[in-house]
Amino acid sequence: SQQGEEDPQALSIQEGENATMNCSYKTSINNLQWYRQNSGRGLVHLILIRSNEREKHSGRLRVTLDTSKKSSSLLITASRAADTASYFCATDARDSSYKLIFGSGTRLLVRP
Amino acid sequence: SAVISQKPSRDICQRGTSLTIQCQVDSQVTMMFWYRQQPGQSLTLIATANQGSEATYESGFVIDKFPISRPNLTFSTLTVSNMSPEDSSIYLCSVGDTLSLHGYTFGSGTRLTVV
Repeated sequence: SQQGEEDPQALSIQEGENATMNCSYKTSINNLQWYRQNSGRGLVHLILIRSNEREKHSGRLRVTLDTSKKSSSLLITASRAADTASYFCATDARDSSYKLIFGSGTRLLVRP
Repeated sequence: SAVISQKPSRDICQRGTSLTIQCQVDSQVTMMFWYRQQPGQSLTLIATANQGSEATYESGFVIDKFPISRPNLTFSTLTVSNMSPEDSSIYLCSVGDTLSLHGYTFGSGTRLTVV
């Protein structure tokens, strides 16, 4: 089952614009992770934010986490055509299972 | 972080047959995870595979349909049994733990089409 929802389901922007994707989840977590998937292939880990962190940066990526609202956002600044992909948030189950549960995903299209 | 080799990358199978997917990791890992991604959908966890014990299946997935082997700390297989067109999906294996700052590593996926 999905941990939560992401919105928007699809996003189309012009190259150079910023893209913001939101993720909501249902249970308490240790951390939240964001992944990118190109053309239905393997996933690439982008960034991990722990439950005691509120914001994290990595290059053009900025992630925020609000545990009181059980939500996170991923901001991609100065987008490029190569950023076109599906983006998923994933949360761990706060138990000893170590399993990751994924959100529904956002399909991002960056137009040249 | 670990590197995973997943095979086959794709296959087209007849209904009623079975397909075994292999994942080889370049380092020893305690837990491996198997996911299914139906067309246009997100990833759904099938089961967690620990070496030396039975796999733990998620709700909606059963061992008879998706038997898993985990003979050692670097290898696992997932079999999709008695396939039907509804099994057409991408299947991915993954390794990692929530204590790592590097996230989880995923295989490149197996795109299965059942005809």
